[in-house]
Amino acid sequence: AQSVTQLDSQVPVFEEAPVELRCNYSSSVSVYLFWYVQYPNQGLQLLLKYLSGSTLVKGINGFEAEFNKSQTSFHLRKPSVHISDTAEYFCAVIEAGEYGNKLVFGAGTILRVKS
Amino acid sequence: KAGVTQTPRYLIKTRGQQVTLSCSPISGHRSVSWYQQTPGQGLQFLFEYFSETQRNKGNFPGRFSGRQFSNSRSEMNVSTLELGDSALYLCASSIEGIGGYTFGSGTRLTVV
Repeated sequence: AQSVTQLDSQVPVFEEAPVELRCNYSSSVSVYLFWYVQYPNQGLQLLLKYLSGSTLVKGINGFEAEFNKSQTSFHLRKPSVHISDTAEYFCAVIEAGEYGNKLVFGAGTILRVKS
Repeated sequence: KAGVTQTPRYLIKTRGQQVTLSCSPISGHRSVSWYQQTPGQGLQFLFEYFSETQRNKGNFPGRFSGRQFSNSRSEMNVSTLELGDSALYLCASSIEGIGGYTFGSGTRLTVV
């Protein structure tokens, strides 16, 4: 079974500073990785995904992530954060089953952007 | 293009009652998955439906069930509600499998 570990439960950062949210996944032959963001009282919004190809993935709102197979990591980065980036971020991996797939999520990282 | 629509947004139910939640996927998406989100357990997979058939199921008791209609709309039902069923229930739709899942805004269920 797949698993995802988000190494930080909370990350405080000042506005306009860079940020990195860390994610490690359990190794597998084929890996499909996602980052989602959740604002208070909302559902999950897809930030970016890695299915194959270039290991540097660019997403919405200036976020990017790098797939590192040797480190089994998929860290999310943004060079300059805004107050509006305050939210909870979830890393997820597809677990492929015999009859269907499902997303396996990490525990989430709360990003708190301070002015 | 309309997104994933979940109704209702909020529900308050009493222990022992049953509840039905609804999810309308993005047009053309045939796969609908359900997830439960709680502060203690995080995001957990409930089940997935594809072309009206349950294709995958998570580790939840039989009180949790679902179905999918021919227009791909899905419902999930929880019978004999317990306090621990209080959660945000999220529905996600996809064309097929790995490409990506689009989530609805969720239904916040409170059991009192």
